[in-house]
Order: sequence, then structure tokens, then C-alpha cells
Amino acid sequence: GQQVMQIPQYQHVQEGEDFTTYCNSSTTLSNIQWYKQRPGGHPVFLIQLVKSGEVKKQKRLTFQFGEAKKNSSLHITATQTTDVGTYFCAIGNSGGGADGLTFGKGTHLIIQP
Amino acid sequence: KAGVTQTPRYLIKTRGQQVTLSCSPISGHRSVSWYQQTPGQGLQFLFEYFSETQRNKGNFPGRFSGRQFSNSRSEMNVSTLELGDSALYLCASSFLGANSYNEQFFGPGTRLTVL
Repeated sequence: GQQVMQIPQYQHVQEGEDFTTYCNSSTTLSNIQWYKQRPGGHPVFLIQLVKSGEVKKQKRLTFQFGEAKKNSSLHITATQTTDVGTYFCAIGNSGGGADGLTFGKGTHLIIQP
Repeated sequence: KAGVTQTPRYLIKTRGQQVTLSCSPISGHRSVSWYQQTPGQGLQFLFEYFSETQRNKGNFPGRFSGRQFSNSRSEMNVSTLELGDSALYLCASSFLGANSYNEQFFGPGTRLTVL
């Protein structure tokens, strides 16, 4: 099945600093999803990217899909304590068909006030 | 609209026992997927049920099984529990299926501890 590498595993930032997590695949992806899991919670869907070079924004969050559709990033501007959690990217197990999702290992965002 | 519910929320079992976990999807959703989450392996896909049929299966041993009922509720069973089965088991529902084009709605999970 397909695999996706996500880095970094942990990121410590001061409140107000920016944060970025990256997902990389060795194969071309049909699309990619991003989820957030708060401590003690469950993953919550954030967004889906489909097009090459796509950029989507949600308030302070900016999502990008690479031109070659092999990588994606999530950038948070001016982090707040509410941003604490683990951010996962997820890809289809095979070309977007109904084969389940493969999740990256996640990036744990830790914010120091 | 009520979210995905899972029961029980917490479970403690001993090695060799079996366990059944339950998941009720969002009303109208026909797809239920199960995931195992551990600190070491992260979120791993177990299987998906769609309209009472297992449609996809991850790379887990046969001790892990599931089923789906006509009302889309799903159960997952783990037999002959091992210490390594201790994990958070999450189910996710969606309208069309467990793929990367459909938003997955996750339940709160069942925390299974095997002693």
C-alpha cells in the first residue's frame, strides 16, 4: 500500500510563532486530507486537497499541495493555545478508491505560553 | 445531527480473552471504518464495512474481525487478546466510503487495555 512520511514528529513553539508540518510521498497522490486530533480527542477533518499546486486557507491555517502531487504542507500562522494537538495527513490506500486511508504518523504541536 | 458514537469508552481485558466493540455511525452514513491507534504505530486502518459488506481490509491478523448490521451499526471483535492489542480503537463513518475523497467522521474511540 501507499505510504506517507510526515515530519517533524514533534514541534515545540512559543505562542505566537508559526508552525509547519510536511507530508511526503514517493508516489503521485490523487489527493490528500488533513485531520487534527486534540489531546484526548479524536481526529477531526480539516480539509482535502485535490489539484496540483492547490493552496487553501482556513483563517490562520494554510494548506498546500505540491505541484507534483507528492507532498503537502500545513502552515499555522501565529499559533494559539487552541492549536495544540496532533496534525495528520491522510491519503487513500490506492488511487482514491474505497480502500481505506493511510495516515501519516502525525506532528504533535506543543505550544508554550 | 448526532455524531459517531462508540461503546464502551474504556475496556480492560486480560490476555487470551476476546472483546467486542460497537460503533453507531452518523445517521445516513453507510460506511464504517475501524482504525487502531497506538503511540508507536499511529493510526492504522483495520477494515471498512459498507452496506453490511466488508469492502476493504488492512494488514491485521485474522483475530480482528467485524460486521455491520442493516442499520449501519458496526461491531469489531478481537479474539485471543495479546498485550500488543492495547490501543485506542476508533471508528469513522462516511456517506460514500472510506477513501481519501470523503470526509471521515470519527467517534470518540474505545480505549482497550490488555493486561
